[in-house]
Amino acid sequence: DAGVIQSPRHEVTEMGQEVTLRCKPISGHNSLFWYRQTMMRGLELLIYFNNNVPIDDSGMPEDRFSAKMPNASFSTLKIQPSEPRDSAVYFCASSQAAGYTFGSGTRLTVV
Amino acid sequence: GQQLNQSPQSMFIQEGEDVSMNCTSSSIFNTWLWYKQDPGEGPVLLIALYKAGELTSNGRLTAQFGITRKDSFLNISASIPSDVGIYFCAGRLTSGTYKYIFGTGTRLKVLA
Repeated sequence: DAGVIQSPRHEVTEMGQEVTLRCKPISGHNSLFWYRQTMMRGLELLIYFNNNVPIDDSGMPEDRFSAKMPNASFSTLKIQPSEPRDSAVYFCASSQAAGYTFGSGTRLTVV
Repeated sequence: GQQLNQSPQSMFIQEGEDVSMNCTSSSIFNTWLWYKQDPGEGPVLLIALYKAGELTSNGRLTAQFGITRKDSFLNISASIPSDVGIYFCAGRLTSGTYKYIFGTGTRLKVLA
């Protein structure tokens, strides 16, 4: 099992640019989560999907953030336009029961 | 967003010592999880707890689901250098959902 796969591992972009983060969950897991981690705010849940359907997006900070899950094996988190305060590590996690399996994260730096 | 209170924030201990950390909340949880995060990686699940009072071990790690369901504890016995990392608790408020709230983390450093 390859685990949860995220890409890219690192992303540096200029303010105002569009950023797309990608995630491939573990096969057979029916829930997928996007988290953001910063020193100040810790791990924050942005959105989660169950069976490809967004269930709770109350953590999405603003309209600049959007997430999709077109099928059971792929999800994207998009930020458009990006701002320096979006700099953080973004984790994707998937789950079949209690407990998540996290990916290795995407470290986003917006300059 | 909502977070669980975790203490201590950081710990420096000697190799071989035991470690205790805890997580508290004003809310009642029905599941508690403990994770460890190594630098540059995502958190990895260590222990899951499902019932009040439950005590579960995973090697040198032992975790307990508090009787009040508002807290949880993690103990590490005979610490070794590879125990270094950030430990997070996570609690689930509602059955039927996989939404967890994470603690603020305990940063552990082990001195050889």
